[in-house]
Amino acid sequence: ETGVTQTPRHLVMGMTNKKSLKCEQHLGHNAMYWYKQSAKKPLELMFVYNFKEQTENNSVPSRFSPECPNSSHLFLHLHTLQPEDSALYLCASSQGEYAFFGQGTRLTVV
Amino acid sequence: SQQGEEDPQALSIQEGENATMNCSYKTSINNLQWYRQNSGRGLVHLILIRSNEREKHSGRLRVTLDTSKKSSSLLITASRAADTASYFCATGKTGANNLFFGTGTRLTVIP
Repeated sequence: ETGVTQTPRHLVMGMTNKKSLKCEQHLGHNAMYWYKQSAKKPLELMFVYNFKEQTENNSVPSRFSPECPNSSHLFLHLHTLQPEDSALYLCASSQGEYAFFGQGTRLTVV
Repeated sequence: SQQGEEDPQALSIQEGENATMNCSYKTSINNLQWYRQNSGRGLVHLILIRSNEREKHSGRLRVTLDTSKKSSSLLITASRAADTASYFCATGKTGANNLFFGTGTRLTVIP
């Protein structure tokens, strides 16, 4: 248990659906991140939030919309996804030089 | 690219043997980190080595860093079946905000 909790653990959604991924950290960290992990590809950093403010958006398509209402919670809103968006989505938090990861949400877009 | 690249992509060894994984990177760094990921789960931080350090130990883990060659190695001694996982290196410049990961080395330890 890393102190970073992601829900749901698994999600299957159609291309016209709207869903949200949730991440919660109980570590008092000020920074939170979304990563995408696809098979045989490097882990991709999607979004970075510092003190609830988005500080990085690595050219992520607008069908992914992050939300950080406070330093403990991070959401990733999904709409009109494509099959190639199927992946493991990992949330992480940090207060210093290294990151604490959640268990991930396995997303399948059908 | 800024990300680390691990080598080999996959490694299979017998329990009790040592496992060595390598990481190469291309840009200047403040630190290099190694993470472990069990299948389909989140990553867990193992060890961090700073750019002014050459070697670091933590339990059965030994990490080396050669900044002149832009490379690092992770040695796991006396491997166990429970060490079976994917291992990633990540290069860092400013805190954890800019961690760049590779594709990982898949380690299988055969009992």
